[in-house]
Amino acid sequence: LAKTTQPISMDSYEGQEVNITCSHNNIATNDYITWYQQFPSQGPRFIIQGYKTKVTNEVASLFIPADRKSSTLSLPRVSLSDTAVYYCLVGDRGATNKLIFGTGTLLAVQP
Amino acid sequence: DAGVTQSPTHLIKTRGQQVTLRCSPKSGHDTVSWYQQALGQGPQFIFQYYEEEERQRGNFPDRFSGHQFPNYSSELNVNALLLGDSALYLCASSAGLAGGPPYEQYFGPGTRLTVT
Repeated sequence: LAKTTQPISMDSYEGQEVNITCSHNNIATNDYITWYQQFPSQGPRFIIQGYKTKVTNEVASLFIPADRKSSTLSLPRVSLSDTAVYYCLVGDRGATNKLIFGTGTLLAVQP
Repeated sequence: DAGVTQSPTHLIKTRGQQVTLRCSPKSGHDTVSWYQQALGQGPQFIFQYYEEEERQRGNFPDRFSGHQFPNYSSELNVNALLLGDSALYLCASSAGLAGGPPYEQYFGPGTRLTVT
């Protein structure tokens, strides 16, 4: 399974765009990149998933370069409620895939 | 439509005791996975149930066991509790092994287990 590396923490201010980069040098051909968000005392919540290039939904964008050895989660105009831990996962895209979480990135948004 | 529900919310047990945690999956989901999350760490996969059978298992001892019922709900049992079993236990549900979209697991709020 591909190992992922992300910053332990990031700080931002309300209204700014936040980019969280994840490194996954050993990603396999069949692997997808998935991001989950977790608020304190809650379970993780799926944000976005992609294989290559760019994926955008109503919450975030995911940028994946051609070599797929890294990916960047982009959160536009963050608010205080975006303060959470963000996890980057690499693996099979299936919904029954055994999810392998790292320690994630704690994003702290300040007023 | 109720999402994934778990009970109880909090639980305090003593070393050596046994505990049972419960999970009801999201409506329409038939696969349940259990995760353990220690403070400051990401969730760790325990095992997964589909069609009332354990399908996948993580690196957890046999003290951790589970069950899935015909209505797809599930239980996690932990025997001979250790202090290190103190954690948030998360249940996640998904729609079967077909592999089709949506490719996400839906997590419940978790059960906070404290072992003293």
